[in-house]
Amino acid sequence: DTGVSQNPRHKITKRGQNVTFRCDPISEHNRLYWYRQTLGQGPEFLTYFQNEAQLEKSRLLSDRFSAERPKGSFSTLEIQRTEQGDSAMYLCASSTRDRGPVGEQYFGPGTRLTVT
Amino acid sequence: AQSVTQLGSHVSVSEGALVLLRCNYSSSVPPYLFWYVQYPNQGLQLLLKYTSAATLVKGINGFEAEFKKSETSFHLTKPSAHMSDAAEYFCAVSTGNQFYFGTGTSLTVIP
Repeated sequence: DTGVSQNPRHKITKRGQNVTFRCDPISEHNRLYWYRQTLGQGPEFLTYFQNEAQLEKSRLLSDRFSAERPKGSFSTLEIQRTEQGDSAMYLCASSTRDRGPVGEQYFGPGTRLTVT
Repeated sequence: AQSVTQLGSHVSVSEGALVLLRCNYSSSVPPYLFWYVQYPNQGLQLLLKYTSAATLVKGINGFEAEFKKSETSFHLTKPSAHMSDAAEYFCAVSTGNQFYFGTGTSLTVIP
């Protein structure tokens, strides 16, 4: 399977704990995105990488959130001191330049976070 | 700034009937527009995209959408609904690095 993979698929944690999610994009894709999706809502953009450079961050991304893509391949999203409001599905997507500035995004299955 | 509005959070159609899911966008520059489908417990899958070529875009599974600049709309249609079309549908707009998604429309197909 050469699609976008995310691990873990589910994470239950207690409030105040730190969690880290991993995303492995499609291998030749240089762009990687993180989104958050809550029930009944569309995905909300969190951050975007081109290769290893984090080029954009949403204002939704508080200081407790940090994302990395150290070698321009996989990426991690860490949430420190989790709060119940962080409970959501965290989606990763990757793309490549596709005859223009905006390429099709391929989404992973997501990591569902539950903060108790 | 860009945004997307999807009218109707829930749409029900009979099997074989026309599917029409509405999407209006706001963008200060020519946008790129997308429709994604999400089946339960699965990731989002691209149905079709508009990137300033033909205004009528054909996608997978018999879906198509028409870009109407004067109406700032990008409605999704399918002539005949199948039971397998039941899913959540998201419209999205992008002018560069960020994508903005609508709140989604849940499609129910009645046998």
